[in-house]
Amino acid sequence: DTEVTQTPKHLVMGMTNKKSLKCEQHMGHRAMYWYKQKAKKPPELMFVYSYEKLSINESVPSRFSPECPNSSLLNLHLHALQPEDSALYLCASSHYRDSNQPQHFGDGTRLSIL
Amino acid sequence: KQEVTQIPAALSVPEGENLVLNCSFTDSAIYNLQWFRQDPGKGLTSLLLIQSSQREQTSGRLNASLDKSSGRSTLYIAASQPGDSATYLCAVRRNTGFQKLVFGTGTRLLVSP
Repeated sequence: DTEVTQTPKHLVMGMTNKKSLKCEQHMGHRAMYWYKQKAKKPPELMFVYSYEKLSINESVPSRFSPECPNSSLLNLHLHALQPEDSALYLCASSHYRDSNQPQHFGDGTRLSIL
Repeated sequence: KQEVTQIPAALSVPEGENLVLNCSFTDSAIYNLQWFRQDPGKGLTSLLLIQSSQREQTSGRLNASLDKSSGRSTLYIAASQPGDSATYLCAVRRNTGFQKLVFGTGTRLLVSP
């Protein structure tokens, strides 16, 4: 079992739909991350939150909107996505102060855009 | 810009063999290097983390080494088992605070019974 929980595990949506991905951790980590991973490629960083504030946005299109409502939760709101946005979306968390602890990943949400 | 490469891209071995996975990076100014394992359709599992001041780390049948000056790390897997079949990713980190990782291209390992 992973310590980072992502829901849903699978999501199929049309290009006009609005949906949200959810991520939760209870390890007391104050840094949380969203990654996008295409098949047979390494994860690509999308967003980083540290202490519930957005620290990095890797030039992600505005159809992806992150939100960190509290220190345990991270959401990714999706709207008007394109077929090329189909991918595995991974959430991760890590300590902020203890810099030599590893990053912990969830099992991801498999997103398919019709 | 940091670039991380892993060789080979794919590896198929019979059970019981010892094997070495390679990771190279272009900028030696790293904070630490992590090795991850990813099973198909799953998230990443952290295997080993080597700090920039360390030369190696060991966990069970896994041993990771780091040569920062030459921009290389290796992951040694002893007595491979079919359950080791997965994709192995290395990632380097430059900064402190939150972790901005640069991932390698991955090695897909298949261990046959």
